[in-house]
Amino acid sequence: KQEVTQIPAALSVPEGENLVLNCSFTDSAIYNLQWFRQDPGKGLTSLLLIQSSQREQTSGRLNASLDKSSGRSTLYIAASQPGDSATYLCAVTSGTYKYIFGTGTRLKVLA
Amino acid sequence: GAVVSQHPSWVICKSGTSVKIECRSLDFQATTMFWYRQFPKQSLMLMATSNEGSKATYEQGVEKDKFLINHASLTLSTLTVTSAHPEDSSFYICSARESTGSTYNEQFFGPGTRLTVL
Repeated sequence: KQEVTQIPAALSVPEGENLVLNCSFTDSAIYNLQWFRQDPGKGLTSLLLIQSSQREQTSGRLNASLDKSSGRSTLYIAASQPGDSATYLCAVTSGTYKYIFGTGTRLKVLA
Repeated sequence: GAVVSQHPSWVICKSGTSVKIECRSLDFQATTMFWYRQFPKQSLMLMATSNEGSKATYEQGVEKDKFLINHASLTLSTLTVTSAHPEDSSFYICSARESTGSTYNEQFFGPGTRLTVL
């Protein structure tokens, strides 16, 4: 059974710092890994999707990497801003197309 | 990009009543839709997979008679919480996968429905 874990569970950093969020999964037989952002009381905003054949994806200040063999992904956020404060979720999919979500990292960027 | 809507965005109901939540794919056809629930400060948990024209597949521990799912068309799936109780209060989110079989197998998520049962 696929399990997805995110470390740390919560993170508080001063504005301007570069930071790394971690996601690990137990079954490497995945199709995709996707990173989402969720603001309090809101739905999901897709940030980056990495196919199983890819190693990384970039969008603006965000960079996500994938190492399938080790069951890990990282989300790198450069020059963090208070507006980046949110919960970040990673999710993996397999042949059944089901998304298995991680436990989430609550990020707070202090002005 | 593909858009998924949910209605209502929030609902408050009395204990014992039933509540229907709609999930629509606005600009694409979705053979498969998924329903998730999220408790406060927790992650999303898959409840069921909704397939157009057939019965939904429920995850272990989810009562199919409690959470009725209907996927009557390629753009609409509904989740009905029957005889709702306070413990059913949660944030319900749906997602939809394009029928054409996206190369990326990407799903698109709705904005969620917050259910509060008094």
